Amino acid sequence: KQEVTQIPAALSVPEGENLVLNCSFTDSAIYNLQWFRQDPGKGLTSLLLIQSSQREQTSGRLNASLDKSSGRSTLYIAASQPGDSATYLCAVRSISGGYNKLIFGAGTRLAVHP
Amino acid sequence: EADIYQTPRYLVIGTGKKITLECSQTMGHDKMYWYQQDPGMELHLIHYSYGVNSTEKGDLSSESTVSRIRTEHFPLTLESARPSHTSQYLCASSYGTGVYNEQFFGPGTRLTVL
Repeated sequence: KQEVTQIPAALSVPEGENLVLNCSFTDSAIYNLQWFRQDPGKGLTSLLLIQSSQREQTSGRLNASLDKSSGRSTLYIAASQPGDSATYLCAVRSISGGYNKLIFGAGTRLAVHP
Repeated sequence: EADIYQTPRYLVIGTGKKITLECSQTMGHDKMYWYQQDPGMELHLIHYSYGVNSTEKGDLSSESTVSRIRTEHFPLTLESARPSHTSQYLCASSYGTGVYNEQFFGPGTRLTVL
């Protein structure tokens, strides 16, 4: 059964720092991996989607990497800003679960202070 | 980008009441999903639909039921709410049959059962 773990559970950094959020999954047989952002009381916003054949995806200050064989992904945020404060969720689309099902981690709560 | 609407955004009700959480999307997506999320925990898939008149139970057992009579509408019903149903419920939709299809999420309904 696929399990997704995110470390750390919470992170507080000063503005301007570069930071890395970690995601690991137990079953490397995945279609793709997706990073989301969730603001308090709101839904999820998709940030990056990495296909199993890809190594990384970039969008602005965000860069996500995928090492499928080791079951790991990292989300790199450059030059963090207070507006980046949110919970970041990692989710995989596992082959065993079917491509329409997402398995989520519990998230990393990020606080960026001025 | 999909437009997904959920109502109500917040609901506080007493035990034993029947409730329906509404979810609608305007992009003609064929697939729709309901997730349940307890505070600080992972999202868990509780129901999904591949199209009109198609509904399936997700990975997390739920006492709720769903229906899909119209493509754009995927309501979730609890016949008799209990305090254990207190949670956030997130609706999502996606389009297509390939592994590239991406799920788009609504803002969620935060349910509190007293």
